[in-house]
Amino acid sequence: GAVVSQHPSRVICKSGTSVKIECRSLDFQATTMFWYRQFPKQSLMLMATSNEGSKATYEQGVEKDKFLINHASLTLSTLTVTSAHPEDSSFYICSASWRGGYEQYFGPGTRLTVT
Amino acid sequence: TQLLEQSPQFLSIQEGENLTVYCNSSSVFSSLQWYRQEPGEGPVLLVTVVTGGEVKKLKRLTFQFGDARKDSSLHITAAQPGDTGLYLCAGGTDSSYKLIFGSGTRLLVRP
Repeated sequence: GAVVSQHPSRVICKSGTSVKIECRSLDFQATTMFWYRQFPKQSLMLMATSNEGSKATYEQGVEKDKFLINHASLTLSTLTVTSAHPEDSSFYICSASWRGGYEQYFGPGTRLTVT
Repeated sequence: TQLLEQSPQFLSIQEGENLTVYCNSSSVFSSLQWYRQEPGEGPVLLVTVVTGGEVKKLKRLTFQFGDARKDSSLHITAAQPGDTGLYLCAGGTDSSYKLIFGSGTRLLVRP
């Protein structure tokens, strides 16, 4: 149980375009979803927390207009990187948890490359 | 600000050796999780500990939560190449859904 999927697993886009990444909880209802960014050989950096049906809470230094997060249902959250630039190239990982649970379950990640 | 410090940052050992990874903080956590991450993949949950002094075993892996719930350790017995990966500890509190992640320990087990 507790399976989280992400799509796409890899994406290459041109500078200035927007990219949408989907995160789905496959076998449970995720009341809260998280989006992380990970740089090579480093730990996870939390970008934002989203609860179903409400606006996402962004961490300090993360531009909410650049990284649009939507959590429209208990099984789906999306991250849209708008007007992507090469410095946005990174590994993006989502996770999901349910109300009252300590654990977060992670998706397999999305490798974004902006050319 | 709550911080979790992991040590060592990098460990390269021979197959069959034992090792311990430490996760320390000055803050109290209500839960502590350990994850393993392989290159290009998301972290996979190994264990959750919630009680001070708690010890959990997962085959050759032994996890301990400190009595004061400020620190944790992961001990691997007879390491195998399949244990290679990035080990992350993460602390949770009752006041937030967020997890505080440690800086990670990169383990390489050489055959």
